[in-house]
Amino acid sequence: QVQLVESGGALVKPGGSLRLSCAASGFIFSDYYMSWIRQAPGKGLEWVSHISSSGTTTYYADSVKGRFTISRDNGKNSLNLQMNSLRAEDTAVYYCARVRGSGSSLYGVDVWGQGTTVTVSS
Amino acid sequence: DIVMTQSPLPLPVSPGEPASISCRSSQSLLHRNAYNFLDWYLQKPGQSPQLLIYLGSHRASGVPDRFSGSGSGTDFTLKISRVEAEDVGVYYCMQALQTPYTFGQGTKLEIK
Repeated sequence: QVQLVESGGALVKPGGSLRLSCAASGFIFSDYYMSWIRQAPGKGLEWVSHISSSGTTTYYADSVKGRFTISRDNGKNSLNLQMNSLRAEDTAVYYCARVRGSGSSLYGVDVWGQGTTVTVSS
Repeated sequence: DIVMTQSPLPLPVSPGEPASISCRSSQSLLHRNAYNFLDWYLQKPGQSPQLLIYLGSHRASGVPDRFSGSGSGTDFTLKISRVEAEDVGVYYCMQALQTPYTFGQGTKLEIK
C-alpha cells in the first residue's frame, strides 16, 4: 500500500544538525512533489519545504531558509531534510508528505507519514 | 502571506447532528484555472493529518460522502451532514494558491 515512513528525529542541542529521511513505497515516487510539514507541540501545522518530482525545484519557508535543505533520491524512493543551525523553535513533529499537482499548482497533501519528532534543547 | 481564519475553534456536536466549519482567507484563493486552492484536513487524536477535501469541493478518495466542501474566493465551508464519533479531531483548512502555503488555526470537533 502507499506508505511514507520517516526516520531521523532526535534530541539535539541548539546550533546542532540533524538529517531526516523518508522512505516511500507503494507508488511511483518520481511522479510526485514531496514536502515536509511540521507541527510544534500542541500547535497547528506549518509547511516547511517542498521539492519537485525531478528534484530541480525547491521551496523553503522563511523560518528555515538558509538552514534546511530538502533533497530526494528517486532511485531509492527517498526524501531527505538536512537541518542545520537548529533552534528551539524548530522543535516539532516533522511529517513527510506527498503532494498532488505540479509547478505553481500544488493541491491536496494526500499521503502523510506518521511523523518523526525533533527536539532542540540544551 | 495569506492568513487563514477558521471558526468556530471549539465545535461541540451531538452524534447525528450536522456540523459546519468556516474558513476565510485574507486573499482570494481562486486560481486563473477557475479552481479554488483550498484544502481541508482532519487530524484525529494521536494520528497524522488526512486529506478530506481538495480544490475547495473535491472529496478525497475514501472520504465518506457526509463530508462536503463549498465556497469560493475568500469564504469556504466544510460541512458534515451527520457527525459520527469517529469524526472527532482537529480540522484544518489550508491554502495552496501561493507560497508560503498556510493553514488555519484548527477547529477541534468534540462529541457532546
